[in-house]
Amino acid sequence: LAKTTQPISMDSYEGQEVNITCSHNNIATNDYITWYQQFPSQGPRFIIQGYKTKVTNEVASLFIPADRKSSTLSLPRVSLSDTAVYYCLATTSGTYKYIFGTGTRLKVLA
Amino acid sequence: GAGVSQSPSNKVTEKGKDVELRCDPISGHTALYWYRQSLGQGLEFLIYFQGNSAPDKSGLPSDRFSAERTGGSVSTLTIQRTQQEDSAVYLCASSSRADGNTIYFGEGSWLTVV
Repeated sequence: LAKTTQPISMDSYEGQEVNITCSHNNIATNDYITWYQQFPSQGPRFIIQGYKTKVTNEVASLFIPADRKSSTLSLPRVSLSDTAVYYCLATTSGTYKYIFGTGTRLKVLA
Repeated sequence: GAGVSQSPSNKVTEKGKDVELRCDPISGHTALYWYRQSLGQGLEFLIYFQGNSAPDKSGLPSDRFSAERTGGSVSTLTIQRTQQEDSAVYLCASSSRADGNTIYFGEGSWLTVV
């Protein structure tokens, strides 16, 4: 199972683009990269998932380079409500012991 | 159901008592997971089920913790002889291969042992 490493915390200001990078050097061929967002007192919420190149949805973009050893979650024009902990996770169809890393605590400042 | 449902949402119990936490996964999801999160900490993996089977129980913190799943649906996490260090939020999640094994979480059961 791929171990993921993220920065512990980040600060940003409202309206800025925020990029959070996750390292997963030993990612397996079948692994997908999934990002979750967690607000205080709530369960983590799925944001985006990708395998390679770029994926975009209404919330975020996910960039995965060709070697797939890292991925970057991009949040465009953050607001105060984006203050949360963001987790990246390598998931493989067929295995289920998913170990979350420490996550990145994003604080958006006014 | 529409999402993962957990009950109770909050539980206060006395040290030494047993507690049961229930999880109702998304309909049709064959995999079910239990995580624990202490205040301000990350997600600690406890156990997963594929159907009714739990192939790996090594994440359970001690033999006071047990979990079962019946009918490929509802799961119960039982903590016997609770201790104060068991105080945490217990999160259940489920997934389906058809959805790329994306994990969907419930809102958690907040356990306080006094």
